[in-house]
Amino acid sequence: GENVEQHPSTLSVQEGDSAVIKCTYSDSASNYFPWYKQELGKRPQLIIDIRSNVGEKKDQRIAVTLNKTAKHFSLHITETQPEDSAVYFCAARARSDMRFGAGTRLTVKP
Amino acid sequence: ETGVTQSPTHLIKTRGQQVTLRCSSQSGHNTVSWYQQALGQGPQFIFQYYREEENGRGNFPPRFSGLQFPNYSSELNVNALELDDSALYLCASSLAWGYEQYFGPGTRLTVT
Repeated sequence: GENVEQHPSTLSVQEGDSAVIKCTYSDSASNYFPWYKQELGKRPQLIIDIRSNVGEKKDQRIAVTLNKTAKHFSLHITETQPEDSAVYFCAARARSDMRFGAGTRLTVKP
Repeated sequence: ETGVTQSPTHLIKTRGQQVTLRCSSQSGHNTVSWYQQALGQGPQFIFQYYREEENGRGNFPPRFSGLQFPNYSSELNVNALELDDSALYLCASSLAWGYEQYFGPGTRLTVT
């Protein structure tokens, strides 16, 4: 089955800096890669996603890149703000089952 | 916030008991997936229902079962509860199989 590895597990940046979170997957049939943001005690929120026929996608300060050959994808957040502080999860889906990484706790210091 | 709702919000059960959790999908969505999220971990896929049929299952034992109704709401049933079943149970709905998923607020289950 799919195995998703996510790094780093914790990330601390200064406000205004960029943050990068990286994930790798094992199932070459994976074709959909969403990213979720989860604040303490709240539901995971879809922030951006990318499909396997696209290499990069951007939405304001957030971008995701996908390297199908290397089986890795990354989340880039520019001009970070304190409200970006949360746990971020990457996920990969090959069929119906969505596999999640273990999460990255991002802290943005004012 | 998404239109996905779950009930109850919190639940405390004793080992060996049975529990039923409920999920109402967002309007127009016919696919519901269930996840178990242990503290400090990512969600783990339990199973998915698409148009009232099970459409995939993760690595969970048969005592985890589900149902989807004609209005596309869904139930997760867990029999013979174990202490390790304590977790946040999330459901997520999508427009159809293969589309992006939107999560409900979750049910926090504690097994003592």
